[in-house]
Amino acid sequence: GDSVTQTEGQVALSEEDFLTIHCNYSASGYPTLFWYVQYPGEGPQLLFRASRDKEKGSSRGFEATYDKGTTSFHLRKASVQESDSAVYYCALSGIASSSFSKLVFGQGTSLSVVP
Amino acid sequence: ETAVFQTPNYHVTQVGNEVSFNCKQTLGHDTMYWYKQDSKKLLKIMFSYNNKQLIVNETVPRRFSPQSSDKAHLNLRIKSVEPEDSAVYLCASSSGLGENTLYFGAGTRLSVL
Repeated sequence: GDSVTQTEGQVALSEEDFLTIHCNYSASGYPTLFWYVQYPGEGPQLLFRASRDKEKGSSRGFEATYDKGTTSFHLRKASVQESDSAVYYCALSGIASSSFSKLVFGQGTSLSVVP
Repeated sequence: ETAVFQTPNYHVTQVGNEVSFNCKQTLGHDTMYWYKQDSKKLLKIMFSYNNKQLIVNETVPRRFSPQSSDKAHLNLRIKSVEPEDSAVYLCASSSGLGENTLYFGAGTRLSVL
């Protein structure tokens, strides 16, 4: 079935560092790809989404580009802040029975930013 | 602004008890979901409903049962809880099936002693 893999389980950075969280997916066709962020005590909330090859999603300084060739949707931010500390999820929604009518999430990446 | 409301926020119970969690959404959406988030933050779909009809029923123990009275409400009942049921249960909604954005509630944290 469709799946999403995030390679970093935990990331620790200092303020103003550059952030990259890797996301690779396995799905047929062109699934819709998402990045969600979850702050402590809250549910996940959408950062942005992308549906087509080479489409760039962005929000709050975060960005990711849909790359069908490498089946990736890596999250990047040029300069992180302490307030960015949260858990980040890559997800997909596709046409396969395993991912239609629901979101399939990656394992999540816990980001900790220190001043 | 919160539009998916879950109650209770926390629940502590003992093995073998029955628990019930409530979820209401005010977004006018047709589809609602229950996800389980374990201690490692893994998110797994449990159920989804579209227009009060069960669409997705993942492989979960039979002691779990969703209950939908209308499109805006989706409750979750667990009969005879087990220690491995300790987790955060997240309710979500979307405007329809397929490639739609999910809106999550804050979750209900269950601790089974």
